[in-house]
Amino acid sequence: DIQMTQSPSSLSASVGDRVTITCRASQGISNYLAWYQQKPGKVPKLLIYAASALHSGVPSRFSGSGSGTDFTLTISSLRPEDVATYYCQEYNSAPWTFGQGTKVEIK
Amino acid sequence: EVQLVESGGGLVQPGGSLRLSCAASGFPFGGYAISWVRQAPGKGLEWVSAISGSGGSTYYADSVKGRFTISRDNSKNTLYLQMNSLRAEDTAIYYCAKGPLGYCSGGSCYGDSWGQGTLVTVSS
Repeated sequence: DIQMTQSPSSLSASVGDRVTITCRASQGISNYLAWYQQKPGKVPKLLIYAASALHSGVPSRFSGSGSGTDFTLTISSLRPEDVATYYCQEYNSAPWTFGQGTKVEIK
Repeated sequence: EVQLVESGGGLVQPGGSLRLSCAASGFPFGGYAISWVRQAPGKGLEWVSAISGSGGSTYYADSVKGRFTISRDNSKNTLYLQMNSLRAEDTAIYYCAKGPLGYCSGGSCYGDSWGQGTLVTVSS
């Protein structure tokens, strides 16, 4: 099975900061990677698929990049409503594994 | 608007069974693969199972293989998860999540819309 490792596990940043979360796959997954946002007490929401494609309705301050084993999610200018836990998920082959999550807080 | 509504959760004893349902609306149900994803209290997301739009292909995490069965009734726009031999570690919120295509192979099994979830608690 493919293992997905996110870093950091948590971070604290100021409003307006650029925030970067990384996700590493234990083997190559092409660009079959999705990013989700889960706000406290809420349902996960798709942000990005195919490593860099923005899902409908997602603000443009979110972006994704990467291919193969190394991927990043970037928030270009952090806003208070971005407080959430972010998960990556590979969908290259079953079982489709999630990363352990990165909790983003406001400093 | 895509809507997914899970039901069937509750408290069950270890070794017991439960059947979850996910009622869908707002899209041509039979044309899309659907997954079950769970989240234990205070923990991360874990993919559990998926089924193609036709129901002809099914997939399971090793942790539930042989105990859980995914199925769908496209005439009723409903997805099911039959859970047998339940264990304490199966305690979680169970979400159904719609995929972008009718199949899950070949790099297409992520969730573009999610239900609100149903809580399953396995405890004596």
